[in-house]
Amino acid sequence: AQSVTQLDSQVPVFEEAPVELRCNYSSSVSVYLFWYVQYPNQGLQLLLKYLSGSTLVKGINGFEAEFNKSQTSFHLRKPSVHISDTAEYFCAVSFLTSYGKLTFGQGTILTVHP
Amino acid sequence: GAVVSQHPSWVICKSGTSVKIECRSLDFQATTMFWYRQFPKQSLMLMATSNEGSKATYEQGVEKDKFLINHASLTLSTLTVTSAHPEDSSFYICSAPQAAGSGGTDTQYFGPGTRLTVL
Repeated sequence: AQSVTQLDSQVPVFEEAPVELRCNYSSSVSVYLFWYVQYPNQGLQLLLKYLSGSTLVKGINGFEAEFNKSQTSFHLRKPSVHISDTAEYFCAVSFLTSYGKLTFGQGTILTVHP
Repeated sequence: GAVVSQHPSWVICKSGTSVKIECRSLDFQATTMFWYRQFPKQSLMLMATSNEGSKATYEQGVEKDKFLINHASLTLSTLTVTSAHPEDSSFYICSAPQAAGSGGTDTQYFGPGTRLTVL
């Protein structure tokens, strides 16, 4: 069975500081990995995804994530955050090419302070 | 990008009544849609896969008679919470994959969610 663990439920950070949101997964088969962002009262928006190839994936809004197979991790990073990055971030995995059946982590609330 | 809408965005109902939630893909066709449930401060959990023209596939532990799913067209899936009770109060989110076409990969688009409160 697949599972996803986001190690931090809340991450406070000051504006322009770097941030890392951690995600670990467990699966007996190969997976596809995703990071989504959810702003208040809005749906989920895809930040980036790892399907294959380069383990460093770049997404929208300056975010990037690195797939580490040996550590079964897919941590999300941004070198300098903005106030507008305040939102909830979800890590998700799927082993189906259609990405339909996503297993989500618990979510990490990123709060950027001025 | 593609847009998936949900209606209503929020609903309050009395215990024992039924509530219908619509999920629409606005500018693409989706033979499959997915319904998720999100409890406060918890993650999204897949409830069922909605299949156009056939029965929905429910995840283990989800009561199919409680959560009726109908995928009547390529752009519309509905979730009906029957005889709703306070424990059914939650945030319901749908998603639809848009096929990328030959050589590409699908992209999953999520609706904005529907907050259901059962009194």
